[in-house]
Amino acid sequence: EVQLVQSGAEVKKPGESLKISCKGSGYTFTNSWIAWVRQMPGKGLEWMGIIYPGDSDTRYSPSFQGQVIMSADNSISTAYLQWDSLKASDSAMYYCARITVGNWFDPWGQGTLVTVSS
Amino acid sequence: NFMLTQPHSVSESPGKTVTISCTGSSGSIASNYVQWYQQRPGSAPTLVIYEDNQRPSGVPDRFSGSIARSSNSASLSISGLKTEDEADYYCQSYDNNNWVFGGGTKLTVL
Repeated sequence: EVQLVQSGAEVKKPGESLKISCKGSGYTFTNSWIAWVRQMPGKGLEWMGIIYPGDSDTRYSPSFQGQVIMSADNSISTAYLQWDSLKASDSAMYYCARITVGNWFDPWGQGTLVTVSS
Repeated sequence: NFMLTQPHSVSESPGKTVTISCTGSSGSIASNYVQWYQQRPGSAPTLVIYEDNQRPSGVPDRFSGSIARSSNSASLSISGLKTEDEADYYCQSYDNNNWVFGGGTKLTVL
C-alpha cells in the first residue's frame, strides 16, 4: 500500500525556523513527484510546489517562491518542507501528496498542523 | 492564470442526487483532466474521481464525473446521498506547470 506519513503538529514563535517531514512507503520514493499543499484555517487547498526526490528538482508556485524550501532525503524516503523565519500567517495545515503520472494527487499524507503564535 | 470556480455550498436530502460544478476561467477545461477530492471534517483529502470520470478502486459507483465543453465546466454527481457524503469537495486540474484547485464546495446532507 502506498502511504505518506507526516510529522506531528508544531507550535512555533514568529521568526523561528521549522522543517516538517513526509515519509513515503509502498513505492519507489525516487520515482514520483511529491507535492506540498497548504490549507489555512477554514479555507481551501493551495498548491505550494513539488519536488522530484530522484534528482531534487523543485518547482514552486509563484505564490510560495522564496517563502519555503523543499528538499528530500532519499536514504530515508522522506521529503521536507522548511521555513527559515516563520510568520503568523504561516499557521495552517500542510499536506504532502504523491503526484501521479496523470498530474493528480494520490495518496495524501495525514497533514501537519503548524501554529505560529507569540 | 487558469482558475477553477465552484459553488460555495450545496445541500440535498439523503437518497437524492446532487451535482457540484467546477467552471474553468479560460481556455478549455477539456484540455487537461479534472479530478475531484473529498475532504471530510478533520481529515485529509482523498481522491474520488480522476481523469474527468474515472473512479479509484474503493470509491462507490454513486460518484460520477463529467465534462461539459459547452459551458467549460466539469461536474461531480453523487447519487443515493448518504450522511457520510457530507464533506468538502474540491476539483483540481493542471495547466502549464501549475496545479490548480477550485475553491471547494461544502456539501450538506440534511
